[in-house]
Amino acid sequence: SQTIHQWPATLVQPVGSPLSLECTVEGTSNPNLYWYRQAAGRGLQLLFYSVGIGQISSEVPQNLSASRPQDRQFILSSKKLLLSDSGFYLCAWSVQDTQYFGPGTRLTVL
Amino acid sequence: AQSVTQLGSHVSVSEGALVLLRCNYSSSVPPYLFWYVQYPNQGLQLLLKYTTGATLVKGINGFEAEFKKSETSFHLTKPSAHMSDAAEYFCAVVGGGTSYGKLTFGQGTILTVHP
Repeated sequence: SQTIHQWPATLVQPVGSPLSLECTVEGTSNPNLYWYRQAAGRGLQLLFYSVGIGQISSEVPQNLSASRPQDRQFILSSKKLLLSDSGFYLCAWSVQDTQYFGPGTRLTVL
Repeated sequence: AQSVTQLGSHVSVSEGALVLLRCNYSSSVPPYLFWYVQYPNQGLQLLLKYTTGATLVKGINGFEAEFKKSETSFHLTKPSAHMSDAAEYFCAVVGGGTSYGKLTFGQGTILTVHP
């Protein structure tokens, strides 16, 4: 069966510090991968999606970037965090239009 | 382009009462429709989905939803609420073509269940 992992589970970072969140999927090959952010009162916002290694599409211009160095690994990064980057970050994978979500990372930027 | 409207950001019911969470969608292509549930500080869990075929879809935890094309609706129901159903629920739609399975979510409905 397929599983999706995200780490860390929680993170507190100062403004201006870098960020790296990791997502890995097991039990499937060549999935589509997604990063979402859930900020208080703003619903789920799609940040990036990837249909293959090295193929990244950005949905929203922002302070973040994403990479997919391996088929089942998806990384969300920032060089300098802003207060507005705080939120709950969710990774998801899909095959045939159904998305399955990871447990999420709670990021607080102070 | 697709859009989803969830009517009611908060719904409160008594334990044992009917749960009805409303979702209307807009899609220029035949939609695939989903309901997800999110418990506090957790990821989203798939409750049920409609792709093709039978319009009444049964999901986990006793939930079901009916796809009504004429009403562009996909409301979620459960005959008898349980305390453990308290959570936030999201309706979502994906269209065909080159959408790469990108979901469009509603704003969510927080369900509160009173004893």
